[in-house]
Amino acid sequence: AQSVTQPDIHITVSEGASLELRCNYSYGATPYLFWYVQSPGQGLQLLLKYFSGDTLVQGIKGFEAEFKRSQSSFNLRKPSVHWSDAAEYFCAVVPDNYGQNFVFGPGTRLSVLP
Amino acid sequence: EAGVAQSPRYKIIEKRQSVAFWCNPISGHATLYWYQQILGQGPKLLIQFQNNGVVDDSQLPKDRFSAERLKGVDSTLKIQPAKLEDSAVYLCASSFVYEQFFGPGTRLTVL
Repeated sequence: AQSVTQPDIHITVSEGASLELRCNYSYGATPYLFWYVQSPGQGLQLLLKYFSGDTLVQGIKGFEAEFKRSQSSFNLRKPSVHWSDAAEYFCAVVPDNYGQNFVFGPGTRLSVLP
Repeated sequence: EAGVAQSPRYKIIEKRQSVAFWCNPISGHATLYWYQQILGQGPKLLIQFQNNGVVDDSQLPKDRFSAERLKGVDSTLKIQPAKLEDSAVYLCASSFVYEQFFGPGTRLTVL
């Protein structure tokens, strides 16, 4: 079945440590790819997006993500996590690249230890 | 630039009651979405509008949920009658060229 998966439900890292959140998708063509962040009680905010071209994309708040076609993955990374990064992170895809139908993964909750 | 506005922010009702949510998208955004986000899950699309026409409502429980976007601007989502499993956050988003902007959501609790 076509889907977006985020294998890690909850990740805990220490402040200053590096971070990688995983996202995999199962669509035939390369979809448009997105990462969103949701702080408690807030709506979702776009961190970064990939449509085509350079497979390493930079986003806001020091985040980056790398698209790997061979692995159908779009993992989110940050070299040094800050306490304010604690939130829920969602990977999303637009499968058909024509419509604007966004499909979201289940999310990964990030906790940051002081 | 004003963001996506939603109201109310919180709503508590009893099962079998009716409830309505309102969304005002960012000016100029033709596409408007309603999502249901159950605790611990990602947002699930309920309905997508392009201007005042429906693009996708395949996951909208049409026996109890309805939505409209008159004049292609603001939108209303209604649940009638509500069930316990409708307890969730209802997110509205609007988009321009594949970039979605989300409102703060309405947290619905059905008792």
